Amino acid sequence: AQKVTQAQTEISVVEKEDVTLDCVYETRDTTYYLFWYKQPPSGELVFLIRRNSFDEQNEISGRYSWNFQKSTSSFNFTITASQVVDSAVYFCALSRSSGSARQLTFGSGTQLTVLP
Amino acid sequence: ETGVTQTPRHLVMGMTNKKSLKCEQHLGHNAMYWYKQSAKKPLELMFVYNFKEQTENNSVPSRFSPECPNSSHLFLHLHTLQPEDSALYLCASSQTLGQGAQTGELFFGEGSRLTVL
Repeated sequence: AQKVTQAQTEISVVEKEDVTLDCVYETRDTTYYLFWYKQPPSGELVFLIRRNSFDEQNEISGRYSWNFQKSTSSFNFTITASQVVDSAVYFCALSRSSGSARQLTFGSGTQLTVLP
Repeated sequence: ETGVTQTPRHLVMGMTNKKSLKCEQHLGHNAMYWYKQSAKKPLELMFVYNFKEQTENNSVPSRFSPECPNSSHLFLHLHTLQPEDSALYLCASSQTLGQGAQTGELFFGEGSRLTVL
């Protein structure tokens, strides 16, 4: 069975602070994918990143960076110099690499509030 | 025009009503999904359609009935719901690659907020 744990239910930071959202996963698969999605107040989930289990290189995209550590089954997400527009619920997700239509197992999400 | 459009955005219904949620995707994807998002819970996958064929039904009660007439449209028919069915229902789509593989990125609509009285 697959499981994704986001232990932080809510985080509040002041604008321009850095913030890290934690994600720990469990899977018996040797090949899998990890994702982060952002859900702003409007409701839709916005895809941020996909990471293959074979690729442990960290990734940076603007103010966003991701730290994938297979040894600890973690895929943490850091926002540098946070902005008010970053306020949203962030979901970490895990999927199998095979299957006719991919299923995602989501964590319960972390509500991030960035205060001006 | 957004990639995945859901209507209605808000719906209030009594337990004896019959209503439907509609989802339309303009991305040329072949797979479509219904997810349920309840407060304080992870997203729950309900149904998956791949090339109009239902491939997953995650033990969803029969009062929820999906319909996928083509790869661009997905419906969720609702009948005799319970108050605990109140939630945000999210539709998503994804691209099917060769041999049915998926890229993994789901594209979501803004959801239909359902309240059952």
